[in-house]
Amino acid sequence: EIVLTQSPGTLSLSPGERATLSCRASQSVDSSYLAWYQQRLGQAPKILIYSGSTRATGIPDRFSASGSGTYFKLIISRLEPEDFAVYYCQQYGGSPLMTFGAGTKVE
Amino acid sequence: LLVESGGGLVKPGGSLRLSCDGSGFTFGDYYVSWIRQAPGKGLQWLSYIGFSNSETKYAESVKGRFTLSRDNAQRSVFLQMNSLTDEDTAIYYCATTSVTTWYFDLWGRGTLVTVSS
Repeated sequence: EIVLTQSPGTLSLSPGERATLSCRASQSVDSSYLAWYQQRLGQAPKILIYSGSTRATGIPDRFSASGSGTYFKLIISRLEPEDFAVYYCQQYGGSPLMTFGAGTKVE
Repeated sequence: LLVESGGGLVKPGGSLRLSCDGSGFTFGDYYVSWIRQAPGKGLQWLSYIGFSNSETKYAESVKGRFTLSRDNAQRSVFLQMNSLTDEDTAIYYCATTSVTTWYFDLWGRGTLVTVSS
């Protein structure tokens, strides 16, 4: 089973600061199958990044992601008020077929 | 737009059928997945269905209890859930699923399923 471990669990920052979120996989993950989501309070998740580093339609360029193998990261270059949310990484290809990390809350 | 419905309160051991209705896009051109989120917890992928009923995959935790089907003419996907336990209490989301890079693109707002006696 591929386990995705996100760290930190909570990131306490201020608007304008840079956020770096980590996602570590227990086994190697094809970066083509690594995605990041944002979930604001009371809302459904929203796709931010897919294929490891490709921003989804409409996602501002302050969001970027990179990584390979077992280590991936999401960077928010300058936090805007609407960016305070929970962020999840997700992989495809292991067992279970698709898994999510436990999330990082940016507060 | 995706809209889930059919959630509610059900007793342990009971059944429930959720629906996911799509609009504003060619529904039959998309795989659809169900993902759930227990109260205060993270996301768990449950199942996906391909372009037709001939392709479905399930997570081990629901295999044999949950069945996914679709009716493209109705632009709907259905999740039949049987033998429910309190561990199935969650918000259930449907989402379109990329078949090339396997991410969840368009999400519904979710429907709450509560399993309790």
